[in-house]
Amino acid sequence: EVQLLESGGGLVQPGGSLTLSCAASGFTFQTYTMSWVRQAPGKGLEWVSGILGGGGGTTYYAGSVKGRFTISRDNSKNMMYLHMNSLRDEDTAVYYCAKDREPDGMWQFDYWGQGTLVTVSS
Amino acid sequence: DIVMTQSPLSLPVTPGEPASISCRSSQSLLHSNAYNCLDWYLQKPGQSPQLLIYLGSNRASGVPDRFSGSGSGTDFTLKISRVEAEDVGVYYCVQGLQTPITFGLGTRLEIK
Repeated sequence: EVQLLESGGGLVQPGGSLTLSCAASGFTFQTYTMSWVRQAPGKGLEWVSGILGGGGGTTYYAGSVKGRFTISRDNSKNMMYLHMNSLRDEDTAVYYCAKDREPDGMWQFDYWGQGTLVTVSS
Repeated sequence: DIVMTQSPLSLPVTPGEPASISCRSSQSLLHSNAYNCLDWYLQKPGQSPQLLIYLGSNRASGVPDRFSGSGSGTDFTLKISRVEAEDVGVYYCVQGLQTPITFGLGTRLEIK
């Protein structure tokens, strides 16, 4: 059974940093593209970042986080991370970890975690 | 970035009646492999999103056949043949043709 479990959310001051983790199980993690998708309170979904599988590890970012957030993965531990720096109020959201449906990375998210809440506030 | 526009934003439906949601993209989503890179998700209240339809018209695993997707290029439609109470939630169309991946604003389906 595929499982994705996010952790690391919490309250952080503007300008601060936080690292989110996603623990994956139930599938061959290293071959799949993975993404972070967020949802601000009462708002819609926003793709944040993605990282290809298959050993390439190419990374992609939304314009709103480029230069501030860094996505990474550790295939030996079946883990994905999102390192968030220079956090702003508008980064407040539930952050979901999502798995691609196929190893070829077509950005179709067939499994999602339960989300972890990040609150940026002074 | 590709802009995704959904309509309507709110959709009240009587159980047993059909429902339809439209999604338009600011540029063609037709990939060189001949697939349309358009997917539909449903986020039920209090839950994580779930994949309903991928590549324009393919139902994801476990999705009831009352859900169907159609369209090509820039215009797409999600149809529910007979709405059930469990279909309540927000429906999103998403383009996967190029990064950044972009979502529509969502259509909130409610039961009359």
